[in-house]
Amino acid sequence: SQKIEQNSEALNIQEGKTATLTCNYTNYSPAYLQWYRQDPGRGPVFLLLIRENEKEKRKERLKVTFDTTLKQSLFHITASQPADSATYLCALGTGAGSYQLTFGKGTKLSVIP
Amino acid sequence: DADVTQTPRNRITKTGKRIMLECSQTKGHDRMYWYRQDPGLGLQLIYYSFDVKDINKGEISDGYSVSRQAQAKFSLSLESAIPNQTALYFCATSDRSAGQGVNEQFFGPGTRLTVL
Repeated sequence: SQKIEQNSEALNIQEGKTATLTCNYTNYSPAYLQWYRQDPGRGPVFLLLIRENEKEKRKERLKVTFDTTLKQSLFHITASQPADSATYLCALGTGAGSYQLTFGKGTKLSVIP
Repeated sequence: DADVTQTPRNRITKTGKRIMLECSQTKGHDRMYWYRQDPGLGLQLIYYSFDVKDINKGEISDGYSVSRQAQAKFSLSLESAIPNQTALYFCATSDRSAGQGVNEQFFGPGTRLTVL
């Protein structure tokens, strides 16, 4: 069966450290993968997209890797800050033409001052 | 995102009632989506529409129906609400002109629905 797993429901890290979140999938062949941030009571907000032929993408303190052999994406936040505390969702481009997104359940990140 | 609005923001209703949730967007996007989010289950796609004449079922469409009244409006209806439809509902849009494989979605603020 198809599955998207984000490594943990919750992750606590110390301010200033690098947070690493994992997204693993099975029985999908996504053309791309996206990461979203969701704050409590709000809709998800797009952060980064990485295509199947790309290994790494960066945006400011964010870095995403995509390994189609391992069927895994890693999402890194360097020099983490309390304001980075949120739930982070990975989403695969699926369906005909890859126009649909299938979401993981998310990882709740808490950055402790 | 103020470009995607949802009404109402909160709704409490009773089992068996008909409910409509509305979504409007000013982004000019062709594609619109309805999701529900439950604690521990993540976002699940209910219906999606790639233009006014194209509506498709998502993974959990049973018990729901939709109407795409215009490019900018996409409504979700629960014909006879039941308690397990209590959830947070999100509308989202994406831009067709972004091309295949690029499908960043813009989400509304959500509607919290409680069915008693």
